[in-house]
Formats: sequence, structure tokens, C-alpha cells
Amino acid sequence: EPEVTQTPSHQVTQMGQEVILRCVPISNHLYFYWYRQILGQKVEFLVSFYNNEISEKSEIFDDQFSVERPDGSNFTLKIRSTKLEDSAMYFCASSPWTSGGYEQYFGPGTRLTVT
Amino acid sequence: QKEVEQDPGPLSVPEGAIVSLNCTYSNSAFQYFMWYRQYSRKGPELLMYTYSSGNKEDGRFTAQVDKSSKYISLFIRDSQPSDSATYLCAMMGGTSYGKLTFGQGTILTVHP
Repeated sequence: EPEVTQTPSHQVTQMGQEVILRCVPISNHLYFYWYRQILGQKVEFLVSFYNNEISEKSEIFDDQFSVERPDGSNFTLKIRSTKLEDSAMYFCASSPWTSGGYEQYFGPGTRLTVT
Repeated sequence: QKEVEQDPGPLSVPEGAIVSLNCTYSNSAFQYFMWYRQYSRKGPELLMYTYSSGNKEDGRFTAQVDKSSKYISLFIRDSQPSDSATYLCAMMGGTSYGKLTFGQGTILTVHP
């Protein structure tokens, strides 16, 4: 069964460094998303992406964040200058064109630790 | 008032019990209602989705939506130890394409 994959599984970085989190969505899906989950808190929406453009973003997704689909298979989240409060699990998700966005399939997540 | 509220539990039941999980919400714009299961340190796994009000059944799982009360439920029949996980409700508005708003999650343990 096709699934969303994410790399790395765990990333440790120092405050102020740039990180890139990578995702490979399910191959025939057209909508892509990033969410984060701070330990013990809710899963929070960051951004949705379709047709090489951001469709919607949350207040969390400020100028320090960017997303890109550099080729036909990868979807990345970049954090330019990490802060301690960026420490969280970051989940990538994708959904098929037919679903209207509610049928989202999540990857296993990348645990980001900022020291 | 929080957009989506979910009792975090924890909820502990014996194997074979019927489990009832619930969420309330305040945003009338929500049209799509989903239930996800999340095992420890894993990504959320989509269990069921429902559009608007009504019931939907899938095997041992039944989802109910009551939009008039802004209340959704997930029932698990004949619960199994493998059902032990955190259950997340999630919702999406009709005009918000793909932005899911999650509840806190309910931790469920089914003991043999």
C-alpha cells in the first residue's frame, strides 16, 4: 500500500541554523500539507500546497518557513533560522485530487530538536 | 472557546467493550469530520471521514456527526488490545481546502 515517507526521522540542530525536512507524498496525490505537533499538544496545521503554490497557511507559518516541490516526487519544508520553540514533530501529508482535501494521509513524521 | 475540544482521557476499557469517543466544536463552518488513530511516535492514520451530519459505519467503527449540537462521536465495537492508541478528531471547513483542525486526542487503552 502506498504511503507518505519522511526523512530524516530525527533531526537535531542548533538555534539559528537552517533545516530542511523532506517528504515523498503518495505518487498520484496532488495536494500536500505540513503539520506540526509540539510534545503533548495538538496537531497543528502549517501550510497546504497545490499546483506549485501555497493554498493556505496558518499564523505559525511566518517568513522563517518555506515549502517547495523541487521535483516530481519530493516536498520540502525549510526553516531558515530555527528557534527553540520550533522543536516538535513535523508531519507531511498528502491527499488525492478527488478528496477535496479531507482525506489526508500522513507520514511518520520528523522529530526536530533545536538546542 | 476552543475550536475543537476533546477529552484527553486516558480511557481504559476491557477487551470486547464498546468504546465511545467524542469531540465538540464551535466553528459552524466545519463540514468534514475525520477520525485519526495515532500510535506512539507515529503519524496519524486516517480511520474514517464523514461529510455533514449523519452516521457512517466501517467494520467495528461507527462515526456519528450531529451538526445541530456541534458534536461528533466515534464508537468502537468489540474493542481489541490492538485498538490501544490515541484517537484524534479532525475537522475541515467547506471553504478551507485541506486545513484540518485537530482535537487534543483521547488516549485509549484496551486491556486483555
